[in-house]
Amino acid sequence: SAVISQKPSRDICQRGTSLTIQCQVDSQVTMMFWYRQQPGQSLTLIATANQGSEATYESGFVIDKFPISRPNLTFSTLTVSNMSPEDSSIYLCAYASAISKEQFFGPGTRLTVL
Amino acid sequence: DAKTTQPPSMDCAEGRAANLPCNHSTISGNEYVYWYRQIHSQGPQYIIHGLKNNETNEMASLIITEDRKSSTLILPHATLRDTAVYYCIVRLSSGNTPLVFGKGTRLSVIA
Repeated sequence: SAVISQKPSRDICQRGTSLTIQCQVDSQVTMMFWYRQQPGQSLTLIATANQGSEATYESGFVIDKFPISRPNLTFSTLTVSNMSPEDSSIYLCAYASAISKEQFFGPGTRLTVL
Repeated sequence: DAKTTQPPSMDCAEGRAANLPCNHSTISGNEYVYWYRQIHSQGPQYIIHGLKNNETNEMASLIITEDRKSSTLILPHATLRDTAVYYCIVRLSSGNTPLVFGKGTRLSVIA
């Protein structure tokens, strides 16, 4: 499987600011996904990102709040905009293997909003 | 919504087999059963998946009932490092289908 990494691994931010999370895969992948894991909860899909097209957002998530870029087949970013304490979560990216159909996850970005 | 039901927590003695059940009574014919686990502060890790036959790999075995309405993940010799939340997920085989996570089972392996 390809190596998937995220930056930053964690951050503490002030309310009202924005944070961009980077996700890098060391080989080309078609589909990438962004998930959120709120404290003590399971993972929830935010959006699916295809290279060269707009991301597809799940119910309850909007592009203005969570803009996503997918400039090439190895990279994606998720921005958490105008943050509030309720945005404190772990944000995880994942990619889908075209061969094995499995999904592989990054290590996550732990965000705390004060 | 997740299409699976799992017990919220289980304990297992180190060195013994851990048997994690999952109910998926509404599974459709073209949906697979996937298992992932999440060790504290890490991203979820793929374990195994199957359609209707039992499957085994280096990590675990997956036993699916004949009617496919339930399954059991077996860790044959649990170690302390197997302590994690285990998620049973039903999804189509396409890798492009996102994973829908339920609450999972928190497995505690005890020395």
